[in-house]
Amino acid sequence: GENVEQHPSTLSVQEGDSAVIKCTYSDSASNYFPWYKQELGKRPQLIIDIRSNVGEKKDQRIAVTLNKTAKHFSLHITETQPEDSAVYFCAASPGNQFYFGTGTSLTVIP
Amino acid sequence: ETGVTQTPRHLVMGMTNKKSLKCEQHLGHNAMYWYKQSAKKPLELMFVYSLEERVENNSVPSRFSPECPNSSHLFLHLHTLQPEDSALYLCASSQAVGFNYGYTFGSGTRLTVV
Repeated sequence: GENVEQHPSTLSVQEGDSAVIKCTYSDSASNYFPWYKQELGKRPQLIIDIRSNVGEKKDQRIAVTLNKTAKHFSLHITETQPEDSAVYFCAASPGNQFYFGTGTSLTVIP
Repeated sequence: ETGVTQTPRHLVMGMTNKKSLKCEQHLGHNAMYWYKQSAKKPLELMFVYSLEERVENNSVPSRFSPECPNSSHLFLHLHTLQPEDSALYLCASSQAVGFNYGYTFGSGTRLTVV
């Protein structure tokens, strides 16, 4: 089955700096890659996703890039704000189910 | 609360107890899922239901028993659990299984087995 690895497990950045979280996957059949944000005590929420026919997608301060050849995808958050502090999960899906990474705990220091 | 609702939010149970977790979605989705979230581990898929039919069971111990009476409701029946079963149990729904749409998660039930 699919195996998703996520790095780093924890990340601290100064407010205003950028944050990058990277994930790799193993199954070349995976074609959908969502990212979820989970604030403390709250549910995971979809923040951005990308499909395998696209290399990059942006939504305001958030962007995701996908390298199908290398089987990795990354989340980029620019101009970070304290409210960006949360756990971020990547996932890969070959169509039948999602395989999640272990999460990255992001702390934005004011 | 709209979207996916889970009850109870917190549950403490003894190893010999029987309890049930409930999930309800108000989104008109056809697929529902149970996930287990433990510290420092990936979200673990437990069960998948599509139109009330179980389509996936990821080698989950029989002390966890799912039930999906209709496409809006999903239960997880628990009995004779172990302390290592303590975790956050998340319900999610999506438009359909096999189509890559993002999940909508519930807030979860924080389960503690004593």
